[in-house]
Amino acid sequence: GPKVLQIPSHQIIDMGQMVTLNCDPVSNHLYFYWYKQILGQQMEFLVNFYNGKVMEKSKLFKDQFSVERPDGSYFTLKIQPTALEDSAVYFCASSPGFSNERLFFGHGTKLSVL
Amino acid sequence: GDQVEQSPSALSLHEGTGSALRCNFTTTMRAVQWFRKNSRGSLINLFYLASGTKENGRLKSAFDSKERYSTLHIRDAQLEDSGTYFCAADPSSNTNKVVFGTGTRLQVLP
Repeated sequence: GPKVLQIPSHQIIDMGQMVTLNCDPVSNHLYFYWYKQILGQQMEFLVNFYNGKVMEKSKLFKDQFSVERPDGSYFTLKIQPTALEDSAVYFCASSPGFSNERLFFGHGTKLSVL
Repeated sequence: GDQVEQSPSALSLHEGTGSALRCNFTTTMRAVQWFRKNSRGSLINLFYLASGTKENGRLKSAFDSKERYSTLHIRDAQLEDSGTYFCAADPSSNTNKVVFGTGTRLQVLP
């Protein structure tokens, strides 16, 4: 079945560095999402992305965050600079269409900011 | 291969009735969570189970690791229960990877 791949599965970086989380969404999907889950807390929506643009973002999507999908390659979440509170598991998801509520999730990337 | 099969993909219920959502797993899972997607897109935790059943109001969830399934029962459905529900499970292998169902879109009708 369709799969969303996230690379890497775990990333450790020093505070203040830049990090890019990569997501390979399902090939014919058009909508892409990032979610953030701090250990023991809810999985929070960060952003969704369509046709090269951010459609909607939450308050958690700080100015230090950016997303892009250049030329149909990876859908990326970049954090620059990172802060300690950015430590979390980040989940990528994709969907065939916006009205289609089914989301296909990746396994998550655990980000540890030291 | 796919590790989680969630069904049904869509469900319509009349107010006051009930039904069950189900996730079948192709491998042994350590624990399962059920989420509901809220209007802001966040996934709200409903249940976390490592085994057995849990109940909260009109919702009840069961998880059988050996039989490789989990269910979410909704009784006396209300209009505000409408939304999309997801299951997510932790494989027993030491991969620290969470696998998700693709969601059930529930519509509660008057």
